[in-house]
Amino acid sequence: DVKVTQSSRYLVKRTGEKVFLECVQDMDHENMFWYRQDPGLGLRLIYFSYDVKMKEKGDIPEGYSVSREKKERFSLILESASTNQTSMYLCASSQYTPDRVSNYGYTFGSGTRLTVV
Amino acid sequence: GQNIDQPTEMTATEGAIVQINCTYQTSGFNGLFWYQQHAGEAPTFLSYNVLDGLEEKGRFSSFLSRSKGYSYLLLKELQMKDSASYLCAPMDSNYQLIWGAGTKLIIKP
Repeated sequence: DVKVTQSSRYLVKRTGEKVFLECVQDMDHENMFWYRQDPGLGLRLIYFSYDVKMKEKGDIPEGYSVSREKKERFSLILESASTNQTSMYLCASSQYTPDRVSNYGYTFGSGTRLTVV
Repeated sequence: GQNIDQPTEMTATEGAIVQINCTYQTSGFNGLFWYQQHAGEAPTFLSYNVLDGLEEKGRFSSFLSRSKGYSYLLLKELQMKDSASYLCAPMDSNYQLIWGAGTKLIIKP
């Protein structure tokens, strides 16, 4: 069964802490994405990556950075956590070629609900 | 710009039929996906349309009209477990999904 695994389901961190959210996929996908989801706002793209060591800013990259040292792993880093970064964080992966992407588009991890206090 | 428009919330009765509409504007188009998301969980894939017309999959069907920038998701024989948010997501020319805020569907007995 294909899978995207996020390291933590729930996380509570203090303001100012450096926070790492890890995401691993076992489908050999090129593309990986980090989203945050807040009530009424839908999914907002933070960063994405089309290949190892490659990253692109999404719609809301401020306060975040990412790392993709291996194809299967995409990490989201909150450099100095703030209360307005309290949210549900979702990692997703997809395959680039149309014939594979049509099978399911993106596959999501189960999400990390981060609370910054 | 890129834009997705779908109703914020809909209510339907168990056993009935409901249609969730979506209009979109994207830079290029590589098909349109519908996802289901239960509260507190990740979105899961429901359907994919790339050509005009209706795709049927059990109780769920999805329709696409590319010329009108329009899609709908049709849910038949509604069950309580269908209470969820439904996300319309067209794929742009870069193979990125563009997300709207979704439609929260409430099923009443």
